[in-house]
Amino acid sequence: SAVISQKPSRDICQRGTSLTIQCQVDSQVTMMFWYRQQPGQSLTLIATANQGSEATYESGFVIDKFPISRPNLTFSTLTVSNMSPEDSSIYLCSVESRVGTYEQYFGPGTRLTVT
Amino acid sequence: GENVEQHPSTLSVQEGDSAVIKCTYSDSASNYFPWYKQELGKRPQLIIDIRSNVGEKKDQRIAVTLNKTAKHFSLHITETQPEDSAVYFCAALWGTGNQFYFGTGTSLTVIP
Repeated sequence: SAVISQKPSRDICQRGTSLTIQCQVDSQVTMMFWYRQQPGQSLTLIATANQGSEATYESGFVIDKFPISRPNLTFSTLTVSNMSPEDSSIYLCSVESRVGTYEQYFGPGTRLTVT
Repeated sequence: GENVEQHPSTLSVQEGDSAVIKCTYSDSASNYFPWYKQELGKRPQLIIDIRSNVGEKKDQRIAVTLNKTAKHFSLHITETQPEDSAVYFCAALWGTGNQFYFGTGTSLTVIP
């Protein structure tokens, strides 16, 4: 499977600020996704990061709050904007490493704490 | 959209016993069902998956069964070991964009 890295691994931020999380894959992948995992909870899909076009957001998530970039087939960023304590979560990217298999593999996650 | 329910939320078994986790889904069009294991502080790891054209799949001590008519699928772990202790998530593929909807998770504890 693809090797996936994320930066930063963790951060503590003040409310009202923004944080950009990077996801890097060691091979070209078509499908990349961003998830949120709140403490002790399951994974919730935020959006699909589309290369060359705007991300596709799930219900309850909007571009102004979670802008996403996907400049090429190996890299994506997720920005958490105007943060509040409710945004404290683990943010994970995932990729479908082999086209058409549906198999998704996750990055190590970014643990965000908003104070 | 898809709705995935997972039971139980917690499960304790003695080492060597079997563990079974069940999930139900709502979208009859779903055709791919993975299971993830997440150890504390780590990323979810894909451990097994099943597609809608088969009813059962095994990989050593782990098996998954799928009943498309009833819209449920189950994870079976036999001869459990302490290192099986983790949170397990089921998921169902939904929609045209390969989106996953995850179950709420099962915290499995294997007691030595």
